[in-house]
Amino acid sequence: AAGVIQSPRHLIKEKRETATLKCYPIPRHDTVYWYQQGPGQDPQFLISFYEKMQSDKGSIPDRFSAQQFSDYHSELNMSSLELGDSALYFCASSLTGVRETQYFGPGTRLLVL
Amino acid sequence: TQLLEQSPQFLSIQEGENLTVYCNSSSVFSSLQWYRQEPGEGPVLLVTVVTGGEVKKLKRLTFQFGDARKDSSLHITAAQPGDTGLYLCAGPSGGYNKLIFGAGTRLAVHP
Repeated sequence: AAGVIQSPRHLIKEKRETATLKCYPIPRHDTVYWYQQGPGQDPQFLISFYEKMQSDKGSIPDRFSAQQFSDYHSELNMSSLELGDSALYFCASSLTGVRETQYFGPGTRLLVL
Repeated sequence: TQLLEQSPQFLSIQEGENLTVYCNSSSVFSSLQWYRQEPGEGPVLLVTVVTGGEVKKLKRLTFQFGDARKDSSLHITAAQPGDTGLYLCAGPSGGYNKLIFGAGTRLAVHP
């Protein structure tokens, strides 16, 4: 069965640079979520999209923005990167009616130097 | 604010032993999910429990949802080294069901 695809899997950036993370949800899933997981921490919700519209927003810094495109893939754009942004970033997708059942991608490990 | 508390935080056992992991909240959840996560990988969904009192079995794993839908447990029978990992419980919050997670139970099963 198809799973959530994320790219890149690993990313190394310098402080103040920008980064773009991509997420391709499971086919026919209409809701995408982004989560951030710091070392030794549980995943924290950042933002979600339903049918290409922002549906919910969590503790996402103003330096970050995201969008969902017509093919349902989503991108998380991160600017003015800080050392504290180093973390695992996960995308998850779900289907209307069973949104609590979210399937996670393998994640992007971002390291900011 | 909805919170999920997991216990124990760490568990180190020998192969063949049984164990139970708990996930508790003071809030009612419409459902709870259990995930297993390997280092550097994404959480893998194990089960969703929806009905109060529900029991679901997945091979050697038994999941239970509390009658009041405020807590859940995961019981593993005859643990194997392959069960090693971080077990996370999660619950939906808000209209679009973003997940809030417990801090996780880190399980190590030694041969």
